[in-house]
Amino acid sequence: EAGVVQSPRYKIIEKKQPVAFWCNPISGHNTLYWYLQNLGQGPELLIRYENEEAVDDSQLPKDRFSAERLKGVDSTLKIQPAELGDSAVYLCASSLRPRSEAFFGQGTRLTVV
Amino acid sequence: SQELEQSPQSLIVQEGKNLTINCTSSKTLYGLYWYKQKYGEGLIFLMMLQKGGEEKSHEKITAKLDEKKQQSSLHITASQPSHAGIYLCGADGGAQKLVFGQGTRLTINP
Repeated sequence: EAGVVQSPRYKIIEKKQPVAFWCNPISGHNTLYWYLQNLGQGPELLIRYENEEAVDDSQLPKDRFSAERLKGVDSTLKIQPAELGDSAVYLCASSLRPRSEAFFGQGTRLTVV
Repeated sequence: SQELEQSPQSLIVQEGKNLTINCTSSKTLYGLYWYKQKYGEGLIFLMMLQKGGEEKSHEKITAKLDEKKQQSSLHITASQPSHAGIYLCGADGGAQKLVFGQGTRLTINP
């Protein structure tokens, strides 16, 4: 069974430029998460989807971040415009349902210069 | 909201030694997850504990959830270089939000 797939693995952009990350969850997993992880810290939730509905986006900085999960499968996370402080690893995870174990992708390491 | 505190934050042990990592919650735990992360990689699911007093093992790693369900421990027996990495505990932080501790960095010296 394929795991959670994220792309790209690495991205370097100049500040004020837009950037997008893509996530393909495990087949059949209804719950999808996007996390941000800064160096030396645990992941912090940005947004959680149940199928195509964003049920928790309270931690998503909506002035510059947006996300979508069309048809309740793949998801994209966008930053526009990127700031230096956005440099971090962006992790996508999926689970069968809430409170079941979540499986993570390899992450996208974003560097804003 | 629920907060998870892990201790220690970093740990260096000699290969072959046993070690324990703790995860303490500010609220009752209704599900506790342990993950391992290699530098620059995603999180690898290790175990999930749900019931007070529950204990699970996988190879040389054992995790327990205490009776009061506010603390969990991860114990590694006879550590090996392959055990090195960052160990993270996660839990339902309310409204089905999966929250994490800050992680424990484990180094195994040969």
